[in-house]
Amino acid sequence: AQKVTQAQTEISVVEKEDVTLDCVYETRDTTYYLFWYKQPPSGELVFLIRRNSFDEQNEISGRYSWNFQKSTSSFNFTITASQVVDSAVYFCARHNNNDMRFGAGTRLTVKP
Amino acid sequence: EAGVTQSPTHLIKTRGQQATLRCSPISGHTSVYWYQQALGLGLQFLLWYDEGEERNRGNFPPRFSGRQFPNYSSELNVNALELEDSALYLCASSLTSAAKRQFFGPGTRLTVL
Repeated sequence: AQKVTQAQTEISVVEKEDVTLDCVYETRDTTYYLFWYKQPPSGELVFLIRRNSFDEQNEISGRYSWNFQKSTSSFNFTITASQVVDSAVYFCARHNNNDMRFGAGTRLTVKP
Repeated sequence: EAGVTQSPTHLIKTRGQQATLRCSPISGHTSVYWYQQALGLGLQFLLWYDEGEERNRGNFPPRFSGRQFPNYSSELNVNALELEDSALYLCASSLTSAAKRQFFGPGTRLTVL
């Protein structure tokens, strides 16, 4: 199976710390899409970013940034100056053709 | 614009019964996806419907089935319920293809006793 691996099950940081969530994916396809979603305690998944396999440019959106490295099949997510409201489960996902895979998620706890 | 809606919010069944979960996509979205989120197992892909057709299914037994109606709403049916079917079932919708961003509903919490 072409897995998506989020090796960090749980991360705990103190407010204002930077934190990086790792995501490693497997695929045999040259065209695919990578996503990050946030699942706050309310339960509803919130879209954060979509990146296609041909666009390796890193992206920054406010305190969020993403590092896509095709050479290592990684799509890591960094939160700068974390806040308590960032506490959630974060999922990385890979979509290609008809196959959709989500990672197991990383539970991030940001303590005040 | 209304988001993805799911009903019921909670469902309690006993082993061997059948459960029916419903999902209404965002207006204009033709693709509907179903996921199972069991405790400690992350998000597992169940089914994908687009334009009324089943496009793909995840690694689940045949007692998990569903359909998509002409108005693009969808039903997920789980027959012969087992205790391990207890989970949050999430529905998502998107514009046509899996490559698009998916919008998730709030989920149905199924408890099998």
